[in-house]
Amino acid sequence: AQSVTQLGSHVSVSEGALVLLRCNYSSSVPPYLFWYVQYPNQGLQLLLKYTSAATLVKGINGFEAEFKKSETSFHLTKPSAHMSDAAEYFCAMILYSGGGADGLTFGKGTHLIIQP
Amino acid sequence: EAGVAQSPRYKIIEKRQSVAFWCNPISGHATLYWYQQILGQGPKLLIQFQNNGVVDDSQLPKDRFSAERLKGVDSTLKIQPAKLEDSAVYLCASSLDRGQIRPGQFFGPGTRLTVL
Repeated sequence: AQSVTQLGSHVSVSEGALVLLRCNYSSSVPPYLFWYVQYPNQGLQLLLKYTSAATLVKGINGFEAEFKKSETSFHLTKPSAHMSDAAEYFCAMILYSGGGADGLTFGKGTHLIIQP
Repeated sequence: EAGVAQSPRYKIIEKRQSVAFWCNPISGHATLYWYQQILGQGPKLLIQFQNNGVVDDSQLPKDRFSAERLKGVDSTLKIQPAKLEDSAVYLCASSLDRGQIRPGQFFGPGTRLTVL
């Protein structure tokens, strides 16, 4: 069965430090992978997506992620954390069959805390 | 361009009562999704529509949950009767078409349901 695993329910980094949020997936066919951010009392906003083109994907707000098939991973990084990055981050996956795309399968989320 | 609209934003009900949520997708989007996000977890797909037809409702608790999209535009999700474990945020999302991964799913702000 397909699944998404996010390692670490909470990650704390200092302002200006590297941000690394981990995501591993399991699927029987090549997936499309996404990272979403959710600020308190708001909906989900797409940060970036991997759709089988370049394995290094750049998104909004300075975030990027690298698809590694051999490791079944899609970790999210940002070189320098900003206070405004504090939020909940979700890794998600879609399997795209001949009939079209299914709904997103989400990980449990990682709460990113930025220390001043 | 207007985003995905949902109402109400908040709802508090007693267990065994009924409740309905409304979603208006982005204009022209053929695919509509309802997700349930329980506190501390990632969103879980409840139902996916393509125009006014159901694509996937395998995770919808059909004994108490129902959803419709009669004219292929806006949609309602109903819970009857509600249970304590239905307390969650209900997210609506839309995408251009099930056959296209780009530009992806866009999420509404969600409806936060509290069942007492």
